[in-house]
Amino acid sequence: EAGVTQFPSHSVIEKGQTVTLRCDPISGHDNLYWYRRVMGKEIKFLLHFVKESKQDESGMPNNRFLAERTGGTYSTLKVQPAELEDSGVYFCASSQAGYSPLHFGNGTRLTVT
Amino acid sequence: DQQVKQNSPSLSVQEGRISILNCDYTNSMFDYFLWYKKYPAEGPTFLISISSIKDKNEDGRFTVFLNKSAKHLSLHIVPSQPGDSAVYFCAAKDDYKLSFGAGTTVTVRA
Repeated sequence: EAGVTQFPSHSVIEKGQTVTLRCDPISGHDNLYWYRRVMGKEIKFLLHFVKESKQDESGMPNNRFLAERTGGTYSTLKVQPAELEDSGVYFCASSQAGYSPLHFGNGTRLTVT
Repeated sequence: DQQVKQNSPSLSVQEGRISILNCDYTNSMFDYFLWYKKYPAEGPTFLISISSIKDKNEDGRFTVFLNKSAKHLSLHIVPSQPGDSAVYFCAAKDDYKLSFGAGTTVTVRA
């Protein structure tokens, strides 16, 4: 089966610009998660979708971040406007059921200059 | 607040010897624990897990131990191989949400 794919793999933008990250989960996985790793620290939860519904977005840093999952398939994470502290690696993960291990994508490395 | 802590940022071990990675947690609501392995430029991949009702789980060269009273778990890799060189993340689950540690970089020396 194809794994979780993320696009782009790298993005370098200037402070104040907008960036949209995309995640395609494994087919049939209803659960989709976004995580972020900043500066080699812990991987932090951002939010969780079940199909197209946001189950938990308690980890979203602020209202500059907007996640969507139209039709319960792929998901996008938009950062607008980007700030320097948004730099990091954004991981998407999916799972079939609540207690199934998460399958992670390779991440998008975002650099805000 | 960081609920899962990996206090050793790095570990160097000789090929063939045992690697022991440690992890501490603070949230007593965690009921499932996992270890993930990550190579550079790749996402974390699931390695092994343990339910909070168990104290040991073994899968080939990998064994995870859980000490609930101490809120501590460890991952043993025996014998260590060059391909084991990677970053290892401890993770704990509360309902559907995973909390991760900061990772331990393991280097296996030939």
